[in-house]
Amino acid sequence: LAKTTQPISMDSYEGQEVNITCSHNNIATNDYITWYQQFPSQGPRFIIQGYKTKVTNEVASLFIPADRKSSTLSLPRVSLSDTAVYYCLVGVLAGSYQLTFGKGTKLSVIP
Amino acid sequence: GAVVSQHPSWVICKSGTSVKIECRSLDFQATTMFWYRQFPKQSLMLMATSNEGSKATYEQGVEKDKFLINHASLTLSTLTVTSAHPEDSSFYICSAGDLRSGNTIYFGEGSWLTVV
Repeated sequence: LAKTTQPISMDSYEGQEVNITCSHNNIATNDYITWYQQFPSQGPRFIIQGYKTKVTNEVASLFIPADRKSSTLSLPRVSLSDTAVYYCLVGVLAGSYQLTFGKGTKLSVIP
Repeated sequence: GAVVSQHPSWVICKSGTSVKIECRSLDFQATTMFWYRQFPKQSLMLMATSNEGSKATYEQGVEKDKFLINHASLTLSTLTVTSAHPEDSSFYICSAGDLRSGNTIYFGEGSWLTVV
């Protein structure tokens, strides 16, 4: 079971790029890394998923170093609406596994 | 992304009664579904994992006789809180994935349960 560690909170001004790093030192070979965004009283929303190197979609980029012991979610030009809790989740859907959430990172975007 | 829907969004029930929450995958078949509960300002806590057609696997400390989980079809899972008590009041969230086609799970909107 890969445990994840993230900063508890981060502040950023509007328009800046935000990088949130997640440590997962005991990630297994088959594990994927997935990031979710959660607003109060809502279910988490899928942002991006990756296995290695770099993945980019229309809302974010995910950087994964070769040793895969950490990953960084990059949000370009954040806005006030990006204020939320961000979770990284490490695991694999198939087989025997547990998808356990860490404490997440509370991102506050300041005007 | 894929759509997972929960119903009801919020429910109030009397102490001692049972309440059922439904979780549906609307545009994909969910071989695996998860149920979480979340207290205010805390992270999600995994309660159980269920594979379609099989009994759910409960996390340590979660009473399986109190939180009944059924995953009888590839698009529907239900969580029934039996003999609810005020301490069961919480935000319950389900998620679903199809292990045949990838490693992504998608979450429902969540259901607020208040036991009075």
